[in-house]
Amino acid sequence: AQTVTQSQPEMSVQEAETVTLSCTYDTSENNYYLFWYKQPPSRQMILVIRQEAYKQQNATENRFSVNFQKAAKSFSLKISDSQLGDTAMYFCAFMSNNAGNMLTFGGGTRLMVKP
Amino acid sequence: NAGVTQTPKFQVLKTGQSMTLQCAQDMNHEYMSWYRQDPGMGLRLIHYSVGAGITDQGEVPNGYNVSRSTTEDFPLRLLSAAPSQTSVYFCASSFAGTASINEQFFGPGTRLTVL
Repeated sequence: AQTVTQSQPEMSVQEAETVTLSCTYDTSENNYYLFWYKQPPSRQMILVIRQEAYKQQNATENRFSVNFQKAAKSFSLKISDSQLGDTAMYFCAFMSNNAGNMLTFGGGTRLMVKP
Repeated sequence: NAGVTQTPKFQVLKTGQSMTLQCAQDMNHEYMSWYRQDPGMGLRLIHYSVGAGITDQGEVPNGYNVSRSTTEDFPLRLLSAAPSQTSVYFCASSFAGTASINEQFFGPGTRLTVL
C-alpha cells in the first residue's frame, strides 16, 4: 500500500512571496501519478497540478510548479507570487498506474497568505 | 454540465439511523468513488465503482454500502449511523482507464454529523 506524508501541518507566507509545501510518498511501483489539490474554505477540491512519474520534467501551471524527485520520493509544490486567494488546505495525492483511479491523500498543509 | 452533484449538503443523524447520500454526474464518467474527510486528515477512499453494476471496497468500507445501477448515480448508504461516521463525504468521478491521467472531478461534499 502506498502512503503519502505531508510534514508541515500549517504554513504562512506574505503576499507576493514564494512558499514551498513538502510531500513525500512511499511506493514500490515505477509508474504512477502525483497531484496537488487545493481545498479553500468552500470545501471544494480543486486540482492544482499533476505530474506523471515517467516524465523527468517538472510540471508547471502558471504560478504553481513542482519539484519532483523520483529517487527520493519527494514531490514539493512551489507557489510563486502568493495571493490572498491561495489561502487554503493543500493536499498531496498519489495514484497508482495499476489500481484504477484511486487516490491516496496526505494529511494536508494549511496555508495562510498574509497581506 | 452540472458536473458532480451531491445531496444533501448538510445532515444530522441520531445513532442507529440510516440514510443515503446521493451523488450524480453528467459527464458520462465510468469511474465514481466516495471519500471521507476527517478533521486534520486527508481524504480516505470508502468505495468505488468502475462502471454500472461493478463496485469494490476502498480503504475504509465498514458501515457503508454502495450500488451502481446507472452510469450517472452512485449513492452511499449508511445502514446504522455511528458517531465515528461524523465526517465530510466527497463523491468523485472520472473517465476510467490507466493509459493516461484521468482527472477526478469532486462534488461539493456533504457534512454529516451523527449524534
